[in-house]
Amino acid sequence: GNSVTQMEGPVTLSEEAFLTINCTYTATGYPSLFWYVQYPGEGLQLLLKATKADDKGSNKGFEATYRKETTSFHLEKGSVQVSDSAVYFCALSDQAGNQFYFGTGTSLTVIP
Amino acid sequence: NAGVTQTPKFQVLKTGQSMTLQCAQDMNHNSMYWYRQDPGMGLRLIYYSASEGTTDKGEVPNGYNVSRLNKREFSLRLESAAPSQTSVYFCASDSKRAGDYGYTFGSGTRLTVV
Repeated sequence: GNSVTQMEGPVTLSEEAFLTINCTYTATGYPSLFWYVQYPGEGLQLLLKATKADDKGSNKGFEATYRKETTSFHLEKGSVQVSDSAVYFCALSDQAGNQFYFGTGTSLTVIP
Repeated sequence: NAGVTQTPKFQVLKTGQSMTLQCAQDMNHNSMYWYRQDPGMGLRLIYYSASEGTTDKGEVPNGYNVSRLNKREFSLRLESAAPSQTSVYFCASDSKRAGDYGYTFGSGTRLTVV
């Protein structure tokens, strides 16, 4: 079946540090991959996505590359800010786009 | 602003009470979803509706019912609330257009059952 595994949190970083949040997936066929961000008290917002192997999704300084050979979609940012403090969810959509599968979320806190 | 609107934002129920969570989207999306979010468990799908007039069970449907009232609205009903249903509930919609899909989420309903 389809599933997503992402690194356990919480993660605490100093401002301007490099961020990596690992995400691996199990899926049949050719899923699409997503990162969502949830700020305190809000719903999830789409951060970036990639719909085929080797695609790189990017937004607001965040990047993730769809690696089919390692079934991974790790989230990276070169220099985090306090405003990046949030919970990050990795997700996949099955090939037919009928259902999303979410990871358990990784909480990030950035301290000044 | 276009998006997904959920009501209410907060609710406290007593065990055994019933209530309906409302969700409406104005993006002309065909597919709509109800998720619950619990600490350490991420999001779990309760029910979804692939199109107007259809609904299907997700991962955790027990204790819930849904109605796809029209293309815009998708409601979630708790007939007899239990403390285990204390959670944050999110509604989402999805365009399903190839290359353009991705969920749009509402801001959530925080439900406490005492």
